Amino acid sequence: AQKVTQAQTEISVVEKEDVTLDCVYETRDTTYYLFWYKQPPSGELVFLIRRNSFDEQNEISGRYSWNFQKSTSSFNFTITASQVVDSAVYFCALSEPNTGNQFYFGTGTSLTVIP
Amino acid sequence: ETGVTQSPTHLIKTRGQQVTLRCSSQSGHNTVSWYQQALGQGPQFIFQYYREEENGRGNFPPRFSGLQFPNYSSELNVNALELDDSALYLCASSLYPGARNNIQYFGAGTRLSVL
Repeated sequence: AQKVTQAQTEISVVEKEDVTLDCVYETRDTTYYLFWYKQPPSGELVFLIRRNSFDEQNEISGRYSWNFQKSTSSFNFTITASQVVDSAVYFCALSEPNTGNQFYFGTGTSLTVIP
Repeated sequence: ETGVTQSPTHLIKTRGQQVTLRCSSQSGHNTVSWYQQALGQGPQFIFQYYREEENGRGNFPPRFSGLQFPNYSSELNVNALELDDSALYLCASSLYPGARNNIQYFGAGTRLSVL
């Protein structure tokens, strides 16, 4: 079973628009960690945020914000006032200490910001 | 930059050959994980090495093997290459499994093409 689902395969927005990337996860563990990574064309996965299962506080970092809701098993990522440099593939990931902290990645959302 | 380096960046092999990919972990990290990322997909966990021992393995056949050295660098070996092995291979380094602040930092990957 897919542990992390990113239903949006591709999204295009015009520069300065806001965009939300969805992530739904599945786990039976009470302790787990959620992540977002950005993958530009160069290929390297760039770490954006880590959230543990006991911390449902939303987080804002500049133009980025994350909404974690355990009730709906979702960990959504919003970019405010998007810029061309935000164009990349974004991955949501789950790790579970009980499975050695290996990462389960979603299939990614390709974001294109049009100038 | 994450401090995780992978070599080579690109590689072309023919079916049936063997290949070795290399990864140097970030300073202070003693755990290395390897992932395979097929085109248009999310990274899939191959295995993880901690203190020179395999510490978890994904759903990959035994012809995928690895090593970790005393300096925590690592190798991924793939024998009897198949066309489906064509992918981006990503290495990630992190603190010991179970660490409270366990974030995986990725290298830029090795793109393997099997002809």
